Formats: sequence, C-alpha cells, structure tokens
Amino acid sequence: QAVVTQEPSLTVSPGGTVTLTCGSSTGAVTSGHYPYWFQQKPGQAPRALIYDTSNKHSWTPARFSGSLLGGKAALTLSSAQPEDEAEYYCLLSYSGARVFGGGTKLTVL
Amino acid sequence: QVQLQESGPGLVKPSGTLSLTCAVSGGSITSSDWWIWVRQPPGKGLEWIGEIYHSGSTKYNPSLRSRVTISIDKSKNQFSLNLSSVTAADTAIYYCASTMNHFDYWGQGTLVTVSS
Repeated sequence: QAVVTQEPSLTVSPGGTVTLTCGSSTGAVTSGHYPYWFQQKPGQAPRALIYDTSNKHSWTPARFSGSLLGGKAALTLSSAQPEDEAEYYCLLSYSGARVFGGGTKLTVL
Repeated sequence: QVQLQESGPGLVKPSGTLSLTCAVSGGSITSSDWWIWVRQPPGKGLEWIGEIYHSGSTKYNPSLRSRVTISIDKSKNQFSLNLSSVTAADTAIYYCASTMNHFDYWGQGTLVTVSS
C-alpha cells in the first residue's frame, strides 16, 4: 500500500505565506491521484478545502490554493489568519484505494 | 441538505465485531457517489477504511481487508461497517462520508472504544 507523506508541523506568521506538501511513495503525485486537501479543527469532522488538485469548494477562502509542485501536491496558504490554525490532511486516490497523508499541524504564530 | 449520521455501540469487547451504520438523509444513497468510512484514533491522523457504491461494489484498505465488510441498504438509505476481531488499536472516532459534491458531506463521527 502506498504511503502518503506530509510535513508533521509547520508554523506561519499572521499575514504570511506557507506551502504544505503531499508526496507519494509510489512516485510523483499527478492529477490522476485526484488530490484532496482537508482542514480539521479540534473536535470537528474534516472539511474539504481543495479537490482534484486545485478546485475550491464554495466555502474555501480565496487565500487557499492547490497545485502540483515538484512531484507533490501542494496547498498554499497566503495571508494566513489565526483561524487557519488547524490540522491539514491530503488524500490521494490510487487504483482501488485511497490513502490519507499523516497530516500537517499548522500553527499561526 | 444532505446529512450523514453514524450510529452504533460506543464500546466493543476485544475480539468482538464493531458494527456501525450511517444513515443518509436529504439525498439518495443510489446517487453516483461512493459512501465511505474513515477513522481517527485519539490524537492521531485519518485512515481510510473503505467505501461502497450503490451497486454494491466495494473498495477496502488493504491493511484492514481481511476484517472489514461494508454493506449498503438502499431501502433504508443507509450503509454499514463491520470490523471483526477488534483490538485496542481499533479504538477511534469513526466517520462516515460521501464523495457527493467532492467530500462535502461527513457525519459528526462516533467514538468506538475497544475494551473489556
């Protein structure tokens, strides 16, 4: 089974920019993995921010964007706000299975 | 508005079977979407357990495949998870979700503890 890797933790200053990445043990992440990004705050269910690499839900703040970067899926947060402090998970699809990354704890400080 | 609601025992004995149901309201389980189970051990990350399509087609996490069964009941608009031979490592919050509108819909999650 594939392993999906994310940075365990990142810190960003309020108003700053940070990029979270999502890699695959099977090789480069492509659009064919249909990358998703989820945000999860304590005590809440995950909520999808980005689907199919770069598409946003209607509730996704404009400061979040998704892309492919250097063989990985990437979530870029521009102009970080205190309310963006959360755990972020990527999800990749493989033939017959989906795999979550281990999550990135993002601190806005 | 589609809503998903998990239900089932909050405590299961070791070596027993964990059984949960996800009731779908506000939408049809026969839509062109996959119905998914995800779990999260306390303080840890998310794990995809498996999913089912209304045709009955299933996909399972290879690490759990030998113990997992996901089924669907179209007459009740719900789907279910059975996980057998449970151990303390299966203690987690179990979420049901759907690919409907790109993972727009999740249940609130239910904590299942495996303990004697």
